[in-house]
This record gives sequence, C-alpha cells and structure tokens, in this order.
Amino acid sequence: DQQVKQNSPSLSVQEGRISILNCDYTNSMFDYFLWYKKYPAEGPTFLISISSIKDKNEDGRFTVFLNKSAKHLSLHIVPSQPGDSAVYFCAASATGTASKLTFGTGTRLQVTL
Amino acid sequence: GAVVSQHPSRVICKSGTSVKIECRSLDFQATTMFWYRQFPKQSLMLMATSNEGSKATYEQGVEKDKFLINHASLTLSTLTVTSAHPEDSSFYICSASRGFYNEQFFGPGTRLTVL
Repeated sequence: DQQVKQNSPSLSVQEGRISILNCDYTNSMFDYFLWYKKYPAEGPTFLISISSIKDKNEDGRFTVFLNKSAKHLSLHIVPSQPGDSAVYFCAASATGTASKLTFGTGTRLQVTL
Repeated sequence: GAVVSQHPSRVICKSGTSVKIECRSLDFQATTMFWYRQFPKQSLMLMATSNEGSKATYEQGVEKDKFLINHASLTLSTLTVTSAHPEDSSFYICSASRGFYNEQFFGPGTRLTVL
C-alpha cells in the first residue's frame, strides 16, 4: 500500500525553466511533508518542508505547495539549473509517529542545457 | 551542522557472514535514529526506528533477529545483518532526528553486496 505516490518517474526540463514535481498521498493523518534530493549512492539531502497549516512555503529557488483537500503537494524549482539533476523524493509524517517518514517512489529530474 | 556519517560506505561479504554498519550523528544528539533500505529504482523503505537505550521498533515484514539494531548512545546506532544472503544485498541508509519538526538527516548510505 503506497501511501505516498510520485506518479512521474522522470522529468526533463531545460535550464532556466521551471521544474514541477508532484506528489500525492492517501493518509489523511499526514500533517508534515518534506522534499529530499538524492544523488546515486548517497543519502537524501533535505530541501524544504511544509506543515499542513500552510499551503505554501518558499526557500530561494524552491517552493512547495500543499493542497490538503486534494491530498497533493508539488515542488517548484525556478529557475532550474543543471546541478538540480537528481532524484527527488517527497516524504510525509503524522504527529505522534515519532518522526517516522513515509517516502514516495521518487522522480528523476534531468535539467538539460 | 546536522551531519550524519555511516561506516563502511561499501562492503562485500560472503553468504552466511554477518556485517555491521555504523551510523553516527557527528554534531548533534539524535533522539531517534532510523534505518532504511533502498533497492534499485525504488523508494526508501523504513526498516526500523530506534531510540537510545530502548529496543528498536521494526516495521512489518522486517525480521528483527536478522537485522539487529543497537542504539548505544545519542550519537551512535548500529545495524548488524546476521547470516547475510544475496537477497540482503541492498543500499542501507540511516538517518537521525533531533525531534524538531520531524526533520531527519541522512547518512551517505552503505552498499552491501552479499556473494
């Protein structure tokens, strides 16, 4: 039972354009969401997070949007840079679960020149 | 800040042997540490959650007698894969949490290959 889904396994975007990565979840108890970036053979690196009391959080080139009614969140990267090429995972957690994260399946982003 | 290390980064062992992987939080005290495994092109799957000084909580389907977790201090957790078999070959990643907003900091991972 995949509670967090990233339906696009890969995405290719031209440098300078916007990258939009999507994530859907099914568990209504999730109230905190995170995005991680991962390079091959390395651990994930935290990018940005959002609490369910917000619908948008911005940090530099990265913005996360949360639509609770649709159980959907997205990560916007603008402008995209070649160094952004990596696998992006969204993750979700619920209050009272001792920080336990449920990860999506990941989206491989390739930023082309 | 918030650096997590793992050792070794890569290990190859014979079937039937045991392998120990260390996870350390270098510049903070971790209230909780987590162990994940990742198969190629798949998501990170949580194996177990451990708190210092108490028994680990294993996820459904994870054999606690095969994957021994010891959380000896607030900065060190170890995962021992006992009697390893080729199907245990995977990428094992640990993470540590300070308990603040559920944020986890991940180690660089350990690639285990069982021959």
